[in-house]
Order: sequence, then C-alpha cells, then structure tokens
Amino acid sequence: DAGITQSPRHKVTETGTPVTLRCHQTENHRYMYWYRQDPGHGLRLIHYSYGVKDTDKGEVSDGYSVSRSKTEDFLLTLESATSSQTSVYFCAIREGTSGILNEQFFGPGTRLTVL
Amino acid sequence: AQKVTQAQTEISVVEKEDVTLDCVYETRDTTYYLFWYKQPPSGELVFLIRRNSFDEQNEISGRYSWNFQKSTSSFNFTITASQVVDSAVYFCALSEVNPGGFKTIFGAGTRLFVKA
Repeated sequence: DAGITQSPRHKVTETGTPVTLRCHQTENHRYMYWYRQDPGHGLRLIHYSYGVKDTDKGEVSDGYSVSRSKTEDFLLTLESATSSQTSVYFCAIREGTSGILNEQFFGPGTRLTVL
Repeated sequence: AQKVTQAQTEISVVEKEDVTLDCVYETRDTTYYLFWYKQPPSGELVFLIRRNSFDEQNEISGRYSWNFQKSTSSFNFTITASQVVDSAVYFCALSEVNPGGFKTIFGAGTRLFVKA
C-alpha cells in the first residue's frame, strides 16, 4: 500500500474558523492532489502540486489555498470555513515516471463538518 | 476543457447479471490517459485500470473488461457475472498530459448495487 496519510481524519468546526488539512506521503512522489467528494458530484479537484512550491488550481479552488514546502507534505487550508465546505476530502499522490502517466493512490479521507 | 460524464447515477442488478458502466469524456488533447477507480462501502479508492489515448486495445481482467473507443470518446467498463462484492461506486477519470502537471478530472461516479 502507498504510504499516504491524512490528518485529521475527522473534524467538526464552526463557520468562519480557519482549518488546515494535512496530507503526508512517504513515497517521495512528485505529484499530489486534493479532492473533495460530495454526493452527486463525485470527486472534484481542488488544487494539485507538481513539485515543491509548485501548485495549480483545480475545478473548485475558491475558498481554498494550498502549500507544499517539502515533498512529503501537501497542506490544504480553508481560510474561513463555510457550511458549503462540509465534505469528505481526499488526498492523492502520483509517481512521476518518464513516458507514462501512473495511477493515483489515495489517502483514507478526512471528513470535515462545518457548522 | 476536460470533462468526464458518467450518466448512470445508480445501477441495480441481481447477482450473476452482466453490467456495463458508461464513461464519456471530452478533451482537446491528443495525448491523455483514462482510469477507472472503485470505491467500496468502506470508503477507500482503489485503482482498477489505466489506458492511454494511443492504446485502443480492449482489456479483460477476470470478470472485468474495458472497451475504449476514441471515435465515440467512451471508455466503458463491464462486469461479467456480477457478485455482491462488486457493490461500490465506480469512478472514471481523465488525465491530460500538460507541462505543469497531470491534472486529473473525475466523473460523478456510478453507484452499483448487486443484490444476492
């Protein structure tokens, strides 16, 4: 199994508070991703990273920011949480191999509830 | 822009029936990859298959098979002789190969119920 963990696994917070979710990998993979999963929408890409300090926006990036200061950690921050950000958040990693595009490995998910 | 459409929201079958999950994609790129993932009730996401845009060969793995047709921009997934353990949400995904990274978009998923 890919060495990928997410913390916290569950969090309940109040509207307006900042929240940071952490994704940690031990695989030294170059690419990392944050998705949110909501009923009827499947997995939607929030942000992704293609190297240390290299990030880009996904489909639903508004209200979220990310940082990657070292290969193993990819942080997702909700600056001021809203109820619409209640969701399950998945982190994924992907190995960079020249010539082919590998599959993603996913973390266990973080269930975030914003009251 | 990328788009993945899984028009079937939920499918219910009886065990041993064959079932096909549809996936239609949109992309402007000539080089791209398609994936299928499974999410069982336990919640983890499991990789099933990868296919690149230059390989239209169909693939069979046990009871699973995949049909990739560029002409119709489809990458359909068939389970033969379904089993209760196949009950899960199945996601189709599209990755474009771009200089900044491999942005990957998922479809909304198809929830498959297999009844005994």
